[in-house]
Amino acid sequence: DGGITQSPKYLFRKEGQNVTLSCEQNLNHDAMYWYRQDPGQGLRLIYYSQIVNDFQKGDIAEGYSVSREKKESFPLTVTSAQKNPTAFYLCASRAYRGQGLDTGELFFGEGSRLTVL
Amino acid sequence: DAKTTQPTSMDCAEGRAANLPCNHSTISGNEYVYWYRQIHSQGPQYIIHGLKNNETNEMASLIITEDRKSSTLILPHATLRDTAVYYCIVRAHNTNAGKSTFGDGTTLTVKP
Repeated sequence: DGGITQSPKYLFRKEGQNVTLSCEQNLNHDAMYWYRQDPGQGLRLIYYSQIVNDFQKGDIAEGYSVSREKKESFPLTVTSAQKNPTAFYLCASRAYRGQGLDTGELFFGEGSRLTVL
Repeated sequence: DAKTTQPTSMDCAEGRAANLPCNHSTISGNEYVYWYRQIHSQGPQYIIHGLKNNETNEMASLIITEDRKSSTLILPHATLRDTAVYYCIVRAHNTNAGKSTFGDGTTLTVKP
């Protein structure tokens, strides 16, 4: 089935360690997004990518890095520079207008919950 | 993308209609209104979207005011499973996907 797969679902890391969250989609979407969600709060945009080999900072990019070497993949690295990394991370993708089943909607993965010990 | 304003929380009795408002007074002519919902600890799910006409699908109805500065999502017969956070966002369709930003949404609690 087509969709977005995030892994791992749960992740624990020690302070000072980098960790990479995986996001893969088989929807043939051009645009991909990473959001962070803290308890009881909405989604905040970390990074987004509209095309392969290009990405843009969102509202809270500090302490994070991304790459977009393949259309299907948009991994997020939470670096040791991120001061408060414990959160729920959501990846999403979206088709461009005119692309196949494009309705402009975002398709989300099931999220990765990162806990820093 | 235009900013939206939603109430923080709402309650609704099971079986009754849930009407969730959203203000988007700075919406541009080419921006659509989208609604998503997020059940606890899951990824958000698309519900419905519209430009200026009212829309209906199997999940909900979307009513957009004539001036397009506000909209209402209607769940016609709310069930306990509709308890979730509902997000209203506005975004343009164009060849440049641009950002998609979410606010804090409305927490809807459906009560027996």
